[in-house]
Amino acid sequence: DIVMTQSPDSLAVSLGERATINCKSNQSVLYSSNNKNYLAWYQQKLGQSPKLLIYWASTRESGVPDRFSGSGSGTDFTLTISGLQAEDVAVYYCQQYYTTTWTFGQGTKVEIK
Amino acid sequence: QVQLVESGGGVVQPGRSLRLSCAASEFSFRSYSMHWVRLAPGKGLQWVAVISNDGAHIFYADSVKGRFTISRDNSKNTVYLQMNSLRPEDTAVYYCARVGPQIAFDLWGQGTMVTVSS
Repeated sequence: DIVMTQSPDSLAVSLGERATINCKSNQSVLYSSNNKNYLAWYQQKLGQSPKLLIYWASTRESGVPDRFSGSGSGTDFTLTISGLQAEDVAVYYCQQYYTTTWTFGQGTKVEIK
Repeated sequence: QVQLVESGGGVVQPGRSLRLSCAASEFSFRSYSMHWVRLAPGKGLQWVAVISNDGAHIFYADSVKGRFTISRDNSKNTVYLQMNSLRPEDTAVYYCARVGPQIAFDLWGQGTMVTVSS
């Protein structure tokens, strides 16, 4: 199985400031035939189901605010929240769908400083 | 509205069985692969199993292989998770999720809680 490792495990950011979450896979999730990274980001607020934010590593899901952005390729990826809002307090997960057995990172908890 | 609704969770003793159901509505269920994902207390999301739209392709996480069985009934718009030989470490909220055209989970149920305890 592909192992996904996120850093940091938690971070506290002031309102309006930038939050950056990293995700590293132990093998590439870039599919060469279509040049797509099989990597998604999800947000899970306390007591709620997860919500898709980003797919193909950098494509924002419809309805997701543009302060959320994804970048990276191969094995190293980043989720950036530009201008943290109070409603962004949540746990964020990266997830690979490159193999038939999908795996998530361990999650990063984002709080307000 | 487009939604997934899980049911069947509860409290069960170690070694016993439980079957979860996930009913889909307002979308073409037979066109989508379906997954189960769980969230254990204090832990992160863990992928559990997948079944293709026609049921022909099924895969499991190593931690549940041989104990859990995923299946679907496209005539009932429902996906199931049969859980046998349950262990305390299977305690979690279990979500069903749909894989959208972007090959990511674009629709999730509200989850159903499974507690394995004597």
